[in-house]
Amino acid sequence: AQKVTQAQTEISVVEKEDVTLDCVYETRDTTYYLFWYKQPPSGELVFLIRRNSFDEQNEISGRYSWNFQKSTSSFNFTITASQVVDSAVYFCALSEGGATNKLIFGTGTLLAVQP
Amino acid sequence: SQTIHQWPATLVQPVGSPLSLECTVEGTSNPNLYWYRQAAGRGLQLLFYSVGIGQISSEVPQNLSASRPQDRQFILSSKKLLLSDSGFYLCAGSTGSSYEQYFGPGTRLTVT
Repeated sequence: AQKVTQAQTEISVVEKEDVTLDCVYETRDTTYYLFWYKQPPSGELVFLIRRNSFDEQNEISGRYSWNFQKSTSSFNFTITASQVVDSAVYFCALSEGGATNKLIFGTGTLLAVQP
Repeated sequence: SQTIHQWPATLVQPVGSPLSLECTVEGTSNPNLYWYRQAAGRGLQLLFYSVGIGQISSEVPQNLSASRPQDRQFILSSKKLLLSDSGFYLCAGSTGSSYEQYFGPGTRLTVT
């Protein structure tokens, strides 16, 4: 069965600190897709990144970077020089793709960036 | 890129009253559509999904139903609301081989 675990329930950092959000997944499929979403206080989920199981290349986008390691079934998300606007709940998710493309979400990590 | 519209943004309904939440998609055709509920505590629960007009799959047996009368319209309904139906309802869509789902702004439902 598919499962996504985000062990960190809440993280609090001071502005300009780096922070890493952990995500561990379980799946028996050889082809799958991993995602990160941001949910600010307004509530709407904002898509951040998708990673395919056959592409382990890490990715950097501005202050955001993602480390995908199949050997440890992890897909961690790092925010460099955090800012108050980064305060949100962050969700990691897994999909087998296919016709239905259902997402399995982790329970989310609440990130609070203090000024 | 696609845009997901949802309304209303907030809703307060008494127990036993009916419910109808609407979701429409703009900017794409033949999307997969999804209804999620997020209760207090942040977990996202998939309620229904649809791969085409009239095709509805239910993930969790409950007091709710869904319909897809048009390609880009997805409706969540209930004949009689329960207190436990309170929560934040999110509609999402995905297309083609991109696999990421895009979410609407959500509807916050309070059943009193």
